[in-house]
Amino acid sequence: TQLLEQSPQFLSIQEGENLTVYCNSSSVFSSLQWYRQEPGEGPVLLVTVVTGGEVKKLKRLTFQFGDARKDSSLHITAAQPGDTGLYLCAGAPLIQGAQKLVFGQGTRLTINP
Amino acid sequence: NAGVMQNPRHLVRRRGQEARLRCSPMKGHSHVYWYRQLPEEGLKFMVYLQKENIIDESGMPKERFSAEFPKEGPSILRIQQVVRGDSAAYFCASSPTRGLAGASYEQYFGPGTRLTVT
Repeated sequence: TQLLEQSPQFLSIQEGENLTVYCNSSSVFSSLQWYRQEPGEGPVLLVTVVTGGEVKKLKRLTFQFGDARKDSSLHITAAQPGDTGLYLCAGAPLIQGAQKLVFGQGTRLTINP
Repeated sequence: NAGVMQNPRHLVRRRGQEARLRCSPMKGHSHVYWYRQLPEEGLKFMVYLQKENIIDESGMPKERFSAEFPKEGPSILRIQQVVRGDSAAYFCASSPTRGLAGASYEQYFGPGTRLTVT
């Protein structure tokens, strides 16, 4: 069974601070996605990383895929209250024909004004 | 371009009744996935379907749960004889085909159906 461990599970910081969320596994994934989920809504795709070592930027958000494709991180610079939400990482297992996503348990982020 | 549509958004059923959850994928997407999210937990894969075919149902409970994606119309997740433990948010996702490699890595989610069993 492939598992994704996210840390921290809860994070509360002040506006303007930087933060990093981690997503780790002992298994290799063919790709990894980061989603953001608001209460009462479905997850919204933020980014997909496919190549080991890949870095993608989305405004103040920086996503990195580990060289071995077993882990990923999300770094937010100068966090704003609008960044508050549940962040989920999800990996596509490296098994031929496997299309399901394995999700981490999520990081609930609160940015205080 | 409309996103993934799910209905109903909220569904209340008494124990023993049947629940039917519907999902219309994004236009042009032929791959549909169902996930379940229990309170304070992450999403868990249930089933992956293409038109008229169940490709992977490794996450489906062995009894009472079934899914279909007919040639015409939405995908349906059906739960028979619901129990309180079935109360959860059920999400549908869809993805396009990426050439010969099959479904795209990227899955796009609907708003979910929140099932409450009383």
